Amino acid sequence: AQSVTQPDARVTVSEGASLQLRCKYSYFGTPYLFWYVQYPRQGLQLLLKYYPGDPVVQGVNGFEAEFSKSNSSFHLRKASVHWSDWAVYFCAVSMSGGYKVVFGSGTRLLVSP
Amino acid sequence: NTKITQSPRYLILGRANKSLECEQHLGHNAMYWYKQSAEKPPELMFLYNLKQLIRNETVPSRFIPECPDSSKLLLHISAVDPEDSAVYFCASSPGGTNTGQLYFGEGSKLTVL
Repeated sequence: AQSVTQPDARVTVSEGASLQLRCKYSYFGTPYLFWYVQYPRQGLQLLLKYYPGDPVVQGVNGFEAEFSKSNSSFHLRKASVHWSDWAVYFCAVSMSGGYKVVFGSGTRLLVSP
Repeated sequence: NTKITQSPRYLILGRANKSLECEQHLGHNAMYWYKQSAEKPPELMFLYNLKQLIRNETVPSRFIPECPDSSKLLLHISAVDPEDSAVYFCASSPGGTNTGQLYFGEGSKLTVL
């Protein structure tokens, strides 16, 4: 069965520093992968998506992610974190032709001044 | 996000009956109800594609979905239980080959006394 693991429940980064949030997936075949962000008291918003193709995908607000089939990973990166990035980030996977999206447990990003 | 509207945004219930409403203005084919408990990722409750219920996770029978047309989704709740306290998100997706890219409403926060 498809699954997603986000090993870090909480990550603290200084404003202006670089960021990497980790995501490992388990899926037989080629997955569709996503990163969603949830700001306080809001629904989830799509940051970026990976469909089979270029392994590095660009998203909104300077975020990017890299798909690695050998490592079964889809880590999220940002070169310089802003205080407004304070949120919970969810990695998710779905399968081609299906409708079910499986979310990871989420990583809460805290930004320190 | 005004493209998916949910109502009410907040409700507090004893053991009463209530309905949540959702409407999407994106022309999407698939609509979902997700439940998000505190500090947890969203969990899929129900999924409709072109008004047909095609996935129904193991949800208590006191939750009954309804899809009166392809842009509207209802969730009827009867005799709520304290474990039902959560935020209920409506989401939609284009369906077909765009599987996995979900658009979320802002949620309806249910508090059960």
